[in-house]
Amino acid sequence: QSVLTQPPSVSGAPGQRVTISCTGSSSNIGAGYHVHWYQQFPGTAPKLLIYGNDNRPSGVPDRFSGSRSGTSASLAITGLQAADEADYYCQSFDSSLSVHVVFGGGTKVTVL
Amino acid sequence: QVQLVQSGTEVKKPGASVKVSCQASGYAFSTYIMHWVRQAPGQGFEWMGRISAGNGDTKYSQKFQDRIAISRDTSATTAYMELSSLTSDDTAVYYCARLTEGGAFDIWGQGTMVTVSS
Repeated sequence: QSVLTQPPSVSGAPGQRVTISCTGSSSNIGAGYHVHWYQQFPGTAPKLLIYGNDNRPSGVPDRFSGSRSGTSASLAITGLQAADEADYYCQSFDSSLSVHVVFGGGTKVTVL
Repeated sequence: QVQLVQSGTEVKKPGASVKVSCQASGYAFSTYIMHWVRQAPGQGFEWMGRISAGNGDTKYSQKFQDRIAISRDTSATTAYMELSSLTSDDTAVYYCARLTEGGAFDIWGQGTMVTVSS
């Protein structure tokens, strides 16, 4: 059971827009901690996609965008491409004593 | 270029220990915090702990507190994660990852597969 909640899967046709939600609580996202997003292809290490809620590292297409509001965050992918088919994870910090870094359970994006 | 290179695949028996290394290059090792995260087959990520490469200060997830040790060798720009009393539930890919000031993991190691099986 992940601390941050993501839908297990989302899908869309090429060119469409899809969004992935990431829901937390008052001890993590709601406490003001930044949300970061990662893209992972099978058998490879994750790649930083969005940092600080809505910033893209150099080289990440502007088709990817992030936002945060209250205890939730979202990742949007516009102009969906076949190459975007991957798993996406959100990550933040938590002020509880048991764990410091928290992740979402991951969302599989399927391009129809 | 900035990279983290981890040690290779491990196969261990239940009850054994495993030590995974993570060698950093291309940046000032001591100025960052290194984290360890694992991913069981078909599952999401689980945070295990971290070490400040500069002063060696460590923090661990309560789940692993009793059987994990994270260390570093600044002269070798290498971080280590040792996990003891292994069970089949510890079968996973173990990653080291560099934390930025903003709290994101910008550089990841390639991952080390650890299989625990009798």
